[in-house]
Amino acid sequence: GQNIDQPTEMTATEGAIVQINCTYQTSGFNGLFWYQQHAGEAPTFLSYNVLDGLEEKGRFSSFLSRSKGYSYLLLKELQMKDSASYLCAVMDSNYQLIWGAGTKLIIKP
Amino acid sequence: DGGITQSPKYLFRKEGQNVTLSCEQNLNHDAMYWYRQDPGQGLRLIYYSQIVNDFQKGDIAEGYSVSREKKESFPLTVTSAQKNPTAFYLCASSRVPGQGSDTQYFGPGTRLTVL
Repeated sequence: GQNIDQPTEMTATEGAIVQINCTYQTSGFNGLFWYQQHAGEAPTFLSYNVLDGLEEKGRFSSFLSRSKGYSYLLLKELQMKDSASYLCAVMDSNYQLIWGAGTKLIIKP
Repeated sequence: DGGITQSPKYLFRKEGQNVTLSCEQNLNHDAMYWYRQDPGQGLRLIYYSQIVNDFQKGDIAEGYSVSREKKESFPLTVTSAQKNPTAFYLCASSRVPGQGSDTQYFGPGTRLTVL
């Protein structure tokens, strides 16, 4: 079967750095997406990786290793507004998104 | 402003009643999707449509129905056959289906509670 694993919850301090991991086993791979979702709201797109390596976008970076079936989202200079759930999703061989359950990130002052 | 709208934001229905959730987009996207989100689980695909007048079942289509008569609209009906309809329903759209980089953009969601 297809599976996406992420930690359920993480806690970090304002101003610090946090890394949210995602491992996947899917039938085929056509890219990996990260989304941010605040409680009760819609997911919003953060990043897309299809090749190995690091993609940097402001305070957020996303890394992919296809051989290891592994990705992480790195958030720097954490702000209180970064408190949200972070969803990892992989596009499989049928171009369907397979979603992880999300990681709830709690930022403490 | 371009975007995806869903209405209503909160919906309450009695058990045994059908209910239709609205989804409209003005992004000129070809593909539209309906997902269901339950606590502690990933988003699950209910139905999707890549072109007008055509749609396909997702992983959990039983008890749901859709139509795609216009490019902009993709309403979802939750029928009385759906055993556990209480959930957060998300509509999404994307520009070019069948490509890896095709990002899906989401509407604000409808929280359905069946009493």
